[in-house]
Amino acid sequence: GAGVSQSPSNKVTEKGKDVELRCDPISGHTALYWYRQSLGQGLEFLIYFQGNSAPDKSGLPSDRFSAERTGGSVSTLTIQRTQQEDSAVYLCASRPPNTEAFFGQGTRLTVV
Amino acid sequence: DAKTTQPNSMESNEEEPVHLPCNHSTISGTDYIHWYRQLPSQGPEYVIHGLTSNVNNRMASLAIAEDRKSSTLILHRATLRDAAVYYCILSPLHMGSYIPTFGRGTSLIVHP
Repeated sequence: GAGVSQSPSNKVTEKGKDVELRCDPISGHTALYWYRQSLGQGLEFLIYFQGNSAPDKSGLPSDRFSAERTGGSVSTLTIQRTQQEDSAVYLCASRPPNTEAFFGQGTRLTVV
Repeated sequence: DAKTTQPNSMESNEEEPVHLPCNHSTISGTDYIHWYRQLPSQGPEYVIHGLTSNVNNRMASLAIAEDRKSSTLILHRATLRDAAVYYCILSPLHMGSYIPTFGRGTSLIVHP
């Protein structure tokens, strides 16, 4: 595809359930980021993958959040035991070396 | 980390020019100034970037102060489709382990 693809676009889950959010970056982009955006707020950094290096997990809000990037391409963000405060839009971005980031459309997560 | 300061919101009338300011008084000599915008229900998209000289592209113009402590994104003729949140961020010359940091941005309202 031409851009960063995220799935699902919308997800409604019950409190306490686990969810997986998927990001397909642009082919060849070595950097991949996950952000979270609550209603009316700015982007909150979650995690960063750069090539084969260990990911920067400094933005993950709790140990219920984890992410992996397989084969340097597709990434999955997992939220365990979801809480209502996890409701937000989760955005993925990828970036080739030394240029701007390209964002997906996001996954809107609603925890009920 | 170098930070940027932007007004929370601005308003404009359709077909009038819009000047969106950004202060970055702690910018380093090798930081680029990037602008992104986020249309409703979409991920952010790249608009323009510059280092020292003013820049023009099909979307906008970027005017950078001589001391580089501030910059202005210029939309020459605002349209209703330009209504979005505009983010000004700094990025290093070499983006090896760079994490784009987004503030609240400026919410641009365009009146018909």
